[in-house]
Amino acid sequence: QQQVKQSPQSLIVQKGGISIINCAYENTAFDYFPWYQQFPGKGPALLIAIRPDVSEKKEGRFTISFNKSAKQFSLHIMDSQPGDSATYFCAASKGGGTSYGKLTFGQGTILTVHP
Amino acid sequence: EAQVTQNPRYLITVTGKKLTVTCSQNMNHEYMSWYRQDPGLGLRQIYYSMNVEVTDKGDVPEGYKVSRKEKRNFPLILESPSPNQTSLYFCASRLTGTFQPQHFGDGTRLSIL
Repeated sequence: QQQVKQSPQSLIVQKGGISIINCAYENTAFDYFPWYQQFPGKGPALLIAIRPDVSEKKEGRFTISFNKSAKQFSLHIMDSQPGDSATYFCAASKGGGTSYGKLTFGQGTILTVHP
Repeated sequence: EAQVTQNPRYLITVTGKKLTVTCSQNMNHEYMSWYRQDPGLGLRQIYYSMNVEVTDKGDVPEGYKVSRKEKRNFPLILESPSPNQTSLYFCASRLTGTFQPQHFGDGTRLSIL
C-alpha cells in the first residue's frame, strides 16, 4: 500500500506563479519529511526537509507547510521559475531518517513552469 | 567531488541474462540503498545496507540480490532478469545518524526484452 500519497501528478504554472504540491501520510510514527527535486537524467536531490515539531519551514522560495493533525504536508514554490521545472517527490521516514528509518516516497509530481 | 557513481547508465538486455549494476560512493557513507523508479509509483526501496556485510530487504526485493564487501561499493545483481524489472534504478548513500540527507546517483535505465 502507498503510505505516502502525493498530488497532483502533474502541474503547469506560469512564471512568477505559486506551485503547490501536496502529500498525505498514514503512519503516525513518521517524524521526518523531506522533499526531493529531480531533473531529467539526474538522481533526486534533497531540496528541503521538515520535522513535525514545526508547522512551517522556509528556504528561499521554497516552503514546507506541515499539518500534523491532518497528516498532511505540502511544498510551496513562490515566484516559480522555468528552472524549477522538474519532478518533485515528497517522502517520509520514522526514526529521524536514521539507518533504521527508511524513506517512503510519494508518487512524484512533474512541474512545468512556462516562461 | 562527492558523488555516487552508477554503471552502466543505460542497458538493454534479454530475459534471463545475468547482469550487475555497480554503485560506488566516495563520501565514506555507511548506509547505502537501491531504489527503482516507475511512473506513478515514485521510488521504491529494493535493498539497503547499513554497513559492510550488513544488508536487508526493502519493499520490493524479489528478483534482486546485493552484496556489500567494501564500504564504498554496493552492486545490484539481477540473476535472471525479467521484463517486469524494466525500470530506472537509483543507488543512494548517506551517513547514519538523524536527519542525514540521501545522496543519489544519476540512475541506470534498464530495459529487459
